[in-house]
Amino acid sequence: NAGVMQNPRHLVRRRGQEARLRCSPMKGHSHVYWYRQLPEEGLKFMVYLQKENIIDESGMPKERFSAEFPKEGPSILRIQQVVRGDSAAYFCASSPPTGEFTEAFFGQGTRLTVV
Amino acid sequence: AQSVAQPEDQVNVAEGNPLTVKCTYSVSGNPYLFWYVQYPNRGLQFLLKYITGDNLVKGSYGFEAEFNKSQTSFHLKKPSALVSDSALYFCAVRDKRGSQGNLIFGKGTKLSVKP
Repeated sequence: NAGVMQNPRHLVRRRGQEARLRCSPMKGHSHVYWYRQLPEEGLKFMVYLQKENIIDESGMPKERFSAEFPKEGPSILRIQQVVRGDSAAYFCASSPPTGEFTEAFFGQGTRLTVV
Repeated sequence: AQSVAQPEDQVNVAEGNPLTVKCTYSVSGNPYLFWYVQYPNRGLQFLLKYITGDNLVKGSYGFEAEFNKSQTSFHLKKPSALVSDSALYFCAVRDKRGSQGNLIFGKGTKLSVKP
């Protein structure tokens, strides 16, 4: 049973380009969460999604960032027109349809570098 | 504002000695409290949680934590440290009124256990 899979593990983008980060939750998990970790800081909540629904996006920047979790396929975190300040590690976690968040499993993260 | 503080960037312990990793929190309501561990190039792994009930919580790998409401603390402890415990430890809190994925993480404490 594979864990939460994130790809790519490392992503380099030039300023102004788009970044797409993918997250495949564990089998049977229908809740996905995205977090961002800036250098020397803890993880910051961005968004909580269920299949085809955004449940809580209170941590998402108002512009350039979007997330989706379609009925089929992985969850995507999309960053348009990236800037140097977007450089960070982005972690995805997933949890089953029942139970508290503590049962969530984290992926290894995608490290985005904007040059 | 809700927050979590891990006052020590690094904790150094000799193998076999007890260890403590400190965490204090600030939330407006009753908290859910968590500890996660991150090994190099790995995602976060859940260690333990406090939701309600006994103030002393036991978790994975021999770790435990004590919830102290008056001191708003949730320190992580282990009676006898192992070299393999060396990793980055994160404390997190959730306001029960928030969505289940909206955790607030501390900056992390690097634990180094020497033989």
